Amino acid sequence: AQSVTQPDIHITVSEGASLELRCNYSYGATPYLFWYVQSPGQGLQLLLKYFSGDTLVQGIKGFEAEFKRSQSSFNLRKPSVHWSDAAEYFCAVVASGGSYIPTFGRGTSLIVHP
Amino acid sequence: DSGVTQTPKHLITATGQRVTLRCSPRSGDLSVYWYQQSLDQGLQFLIQYYNGEERAKGNILERFSAQQFPDLHSELNLSSLELGDSALYFCASSLSWGARYEQYFGPGTRLTVT
Repeated sequence: AQSVTQPDIHITVSEGASLELRCNYSYGATPYLFWYVQSPGQGLQLLLKYFSGDTLVQGIKGFEAEFKRSQSSFNLRKPSVHWSDAAEYFCAVVASGGSYIPTFGRGTSLIVHP
Repeated sequence: DSGVTQTPKHLITATGQRVTLRCSPRSGDLSVYWYQQSLDQGLQFLIQYYNGEERAKGNILERFSAQQFPDLHSELNLSSLELGDSALYFCASSLSWGARYEQYFGPGTRLTVT
C-alpha cells in the first residue's frame, strides 16, 4: 500500500521569502501525485498534479513542484510567499492505473509573518 | 466557490444516533467522492460514486453507507455514531471517475458527536 510523509507539521516564513514544503511517498511504481491547499473553513483546492512527463510541474497561485523518482519526493515550492498563502497544504498519492484511492499526508501548516 | 454544496454545515448529535449528510455536485459532474478529516486520522478517502454506481471504496466503516441518486446528488449515512466519528466530512465532485479528473471540494459538514 502506498504512504505519504510530510515531515514538517508547521512551517513559518516571512512574506516575500521562498518556500519549500516536503513530501515523500512510498509506492512500488510511479504514482500519480497531487498537492492540495486548504484555507481555514474551506474544502481542499488542487494546486497541481503530476502523472508523467516533465518532472517540474507548474500549478496555480505561482506554485510549482518537482518529482524526483530517486528520492521518492514531490516537493512544493514558491519563490515568493504572500500572506494569503497561509493555509494547510496536503500532498496525496494515487496508485497509477488502478481505482482512485488516494492516500494523503498529514498536512503542513504554513504560517506567514509580515 | 467550487460549485459543490453540502448540507448541513454543522451537525451535533449524540452517540448511537444516525445522521445523513447531503452533497450536490457541480453541474455536469458525474462523480462524487466522500472524505473524512479528523485530528486523529487526518484526511481519509471514504468512497466514490460515478453516475449512481459505487466506483471505489476506501477506509469506510461498515456503520457508514453512501449512495448517489439519479439526479447525481449523494448522501452519506452514518449510523451508531461514536465519539470518534466527530470530524469534518467533505464531498468532492469531478467530471468523470479517473484520477486525472480534477476534484472540486465542498465546504464540508462538521459533525460533532457528544
